[in-house]
Amino acid sequence: QSVLTQPPSVSAAPGQKVTISCSGSTSNIGNNYISWYQHLPGTAPKLVIYDNDNRPSGIPDRFSGSKSGTSATLGITGLQTGDEADYYCGTWDSSLSAWVFGGGTKLTVL
Amino acid sequence: QELLVESGGGLVKPGGSLRLSCVASGFTLGDYYMKWIRQAPGKGLEWVSYISGSGNRIYYADSVKGRFTISRDNTKNSLYLQMNSLRAEDTAVYYCARDFRNGGCDAWGQGTLVTVSS
Repeated sequence: QSVLTQPPSVSAAPGQKVTISCSGSTSNIGNNYISWYQHLPGTAPKLVIYDNDNRPSGIPDRFSGSKSGTSATLGITGLQTGDEADYYCGTWDSSLSAWVFGGGTKLTVL
Repeated sequence: QELLVESGGGLVKPGGSLRLSCVASGFTLGDYYMKWIRQAPGKGLEWVSYISGSGNRIYYADSVKGRFTISRDNTKNSLYLQMNSLRAEDTAVYYCARDFRNGGCDAWGQGTLVTVSS
């Protein structure tokens, strides 16, 4: 059971928009920065959002992040088949003194 | 080019030990906190351990505390994970990752597979 809760799967058609939620508590999301990772099987995870809502260089502006209270959201617009991957949220948990990941969300682009 | 390359994975019997290494190139490892993160077959990402740039702050996941030891040698631009008393549930691909800002990891190694089986 992950400390951060993500939906197991989401899906949408090419060109559409999808959002992935990440729910936590005041000890993690509520008081710390969140980052989001894209993970394709057999490859290293890739950072797509850091500090709640910032994109690393090279990540298209189709990817966005937001945070409100103890929840965060990753948004992807203009979906492409290449966006199919597992997406994970992660943050520091001050009570656990541990980095925590969500359980991951499998994005399917239909 | 900034690269992280892990090595040291392999097949080990339950109760055995392995030492993973992660060598950085193209940047100064000592300028960054570093993490070890793993993914067991069919499972999600799991954080394993975290070390500050100087090595004076270290954290472990409860699942590995007392069995795994993270360390670094900044003179060799290298990060290590000593894994003792290995269990079947430690079977995973292990990644080293660079924490560039507030926990966000912008550089990852390719991963090294650890298999614990008799």
